[in-house]
Amino acid sequence: DAGVIQSPRHEVTEMGQEVTLRCKPISGHNSLFWYRQTMMRGLELLIYFNNNVPIDDSGMPEDRFSAKMPNASFSTLKIQPSEPRDSAVYFCASSLAPRDNEQFFGPGTRLTVL
Amino acid sequence: AQKVTQAQTEISVVEKEDVTLDCVYETRDTTYYLFWYKQPPSGELVFLIRRNSFDEQNEISGRYSWNFQKSTSSFNFTITASQVVDSAVYFCALSIYSGGGADGLTFGKGTHLIIQP
Repeated sequence: DAGVIQSPRHEVTEMGQEVTLRCKPISGHNSLFWYRQTMMRGLELLIYFNNNVPIDDSGMPEDRFSAKMPNASFSTLKIQPSEPRDSAVYFCASSLAPRDNEQFFGPGTRLTVL
Repeated sequence: AQKVTQAQTEISVVEKEDVTLDCVYETRDTTYYLFWYKQPPSGELVFLIRRNSFDEQNEISGRYSWNFQKSTSSFNFTITASQVVDSAVYFCALSIYSGGGADGLTFGKGTHLIIQP
């Protein structure tokens, strides 16, 4: 079975550019989560969706960040404009809620903003 | 708000020693889930275990065991006879059951475990 798929795996961009990260959850999962990992702040939840509906976006740092889930098999996290402090590893995870609550993580996208 | 504390930033032991990673959590909710994830040097996050707040039974899986104690709000993880391949960062995490679906994870800062040969 395919796990959570994220693309790109690595992204290097310049400050001010738009960045779009993509995620395909595990088929059949109905919850999707975006996390960010940095040395300073550790792993933090940005936003999550249940059945394609955003439930909690309180972790989204600024209006520069936005996330969408147009259907059950695809989600995007967009940063516009990007800044050097956005450099981090961004993880997408999915789960089958509420029956199971373990979240399965994708490999992450390492974003570097110069 | 939820909080997870992993007081041990880094632990270094010699192979075959037993090691315990501590996790203390805070929540006002009565229904919640606790997790451990492993992050090896390659960077992926690997699910290890989930416990719900109503199940305080300890669990053993091979060399791994978990001790959940609600009285002390702790969910500790022990590796018996450690191996070099156990070297990784281990995260403890907490999730609240919202009734309608899963909730996001609140992670601790992680414990970097180094197993020396």
